[in-house]
Amino acid sequence: GAGVSQSPSNKVTEKGKDVELRCDPISGHTALYWYRQRLGQGLEFLIYFQGNSAPDKSGLPSDRFSAERTGESVSTLTIQRTQQEDSAVYLCASSLGSGVDTQYFGPGTRLTVL
Amino acid sequence: GQQLNQSPQSMFIQEGEDVSMNCTSSSIFNTWLWYKQDPGEGPVLLIALYKAGELTSNGRLTAQFGITRKDSFLNISASIPSDVGIYFCAGPGGTSYGKLTFGQGTILTVHP
Repeated sequence: GAGVSQSPSNKVTEKGKDVELRCDPISGHTALYWYRQRLGQGLEFLIYFQGNSAPDKSGLPSDRFSAERTGESVSTLTIQRTQQEDSAVYLCASSLGSGVDTQYFGPGTRLTVL
Repeated sequence: GQQLNQSPQSMFIQEGEDVSMNCTSSSIFNTWLWYKQDPGEGPVLLIALYKAGELTSNGRLTAQFGITRKDSFLNISASIPSDVGIYFCAGPGGTSYGKLTFGQGTILTVHP
């Protein structure tokens, strides 16, 4: 596809369960980012992948959060033992390179933890 | 960490009116970005500013990079109903240049 895609678009889970969120970046984009957006808030940076470099994980809020990326392709964000405060929209973005290259965002996955 | 403060938090205006919103920071930013987010969508980049004092336009939108590098504003002229959405300022945060810090957003409502 032409843009960043994310799946699922909505996810409802029970507290304590693990969830996996998927991001397909724009083909050829070497950089991939995950952000979290709580209701009525701005975006919070979570993690950033650039090519084969070690990811910048400085925004991950706890060790329950992890993310992987396969080469310069798909990325998966995993949240283990979900808590109600994890409820938010999780947005993925990709860019051609790092630095000031424009980040193109996907539509997000809305996660609700009951 | 770096924080961006946007004002106003929300605006209710009539179609045809001009709009102004701003963004301030306690620390210097070397790049200022303005994004718009429609309901159920991810943010889309509107304008990017790279130099202090820079004034850049994109159609009815105009943005300026403050001289102090600690603020920026976005103006929308002759608003139309499709301008409705949330407007965010953002800038690269910390040592990782690709990692963006976002403001909390300005919600714009345009009445026809």
